Amino acid sequence: ELKVEQNPLFLSMQEGKNYTIYCNYSTTSDRLYWYRQDPGKSLESLFVLLSNGAVKQEGRLMASLDTKARLSTLHITAAVHDLSATYFCAVVFTGNQFYFGTGTSLTVIP
Amino acid sequence: EAGVAQSPRYKIIEKRQSVAFWCNPISGHATLYWYQQILGQGPKLLIQFQNNGVVDDSQLPKDRFSAERLKGVDSTLKIQPAKLEDSAVYLCASSLARGNYGYTFGSGTRLTVV
Repeated sequence: ELKVEQNPLFLSMQEGKNYTIYCNYSTTSDRLYWYRQDPGKSLESLFVLLSNGAVKQEGRLMASLDTKARLSTLHITAAVHDLSATYFCAVVFTGNQFYFGTGTSLTVIP
Repeated sequence: EAGVAQSPRYKIIEKRQSVAFWCNPISGHATLYWYQQILGQGPKLLIQFQNNGVVDDSQLPKDRFSAERLKGVDSTLKIQPAKLEDSAVYLCASSLARGNYGYTFGSGTRLTVV
């Protein structure tokens, strides 16, 4: 069964703190995406990770991929209020099947 | 480059009525996806097209949902008859082809079934 799980589902953190969101998936994939979604809006692409050990960084967000562990992380450094949103990972399985995780709702508290 | 266009943006219907959503992908994008996103959940893949052929429709409730992409360009998703639990945002996405390409999402159609 193709499955993508994220944790935590909800995350409330103070400004300036660091935290990590985890994304686990059930079967082989070498391509993983991270998206951001603001309330009532569509999905904004953040990162695409294409190979084992890939690391991408943009501002206060850094994403990594471990294909052997079937795990990706999205690390938030020194959070600011503007990062409040829901974050989704999405995994591409064989046949270009594109499945989303459950989402992590992030709230950054001033 | 124009994005993925979807219409309508919002739709309210009564249960047991029919509804159709339209998607026009980015020009030249061979792969088109329809997703259902229920409030508070991640998008769930309903159907994937490669040109005008169906690649994956394993999660499409075929007793009431149908989709087509007749000329390999724009696509229509239909629900007939609608149920209350179909209330969701329906997202369309497209990508250039199989391989390491980005996926672009439309703004979605928000369906409310009352």
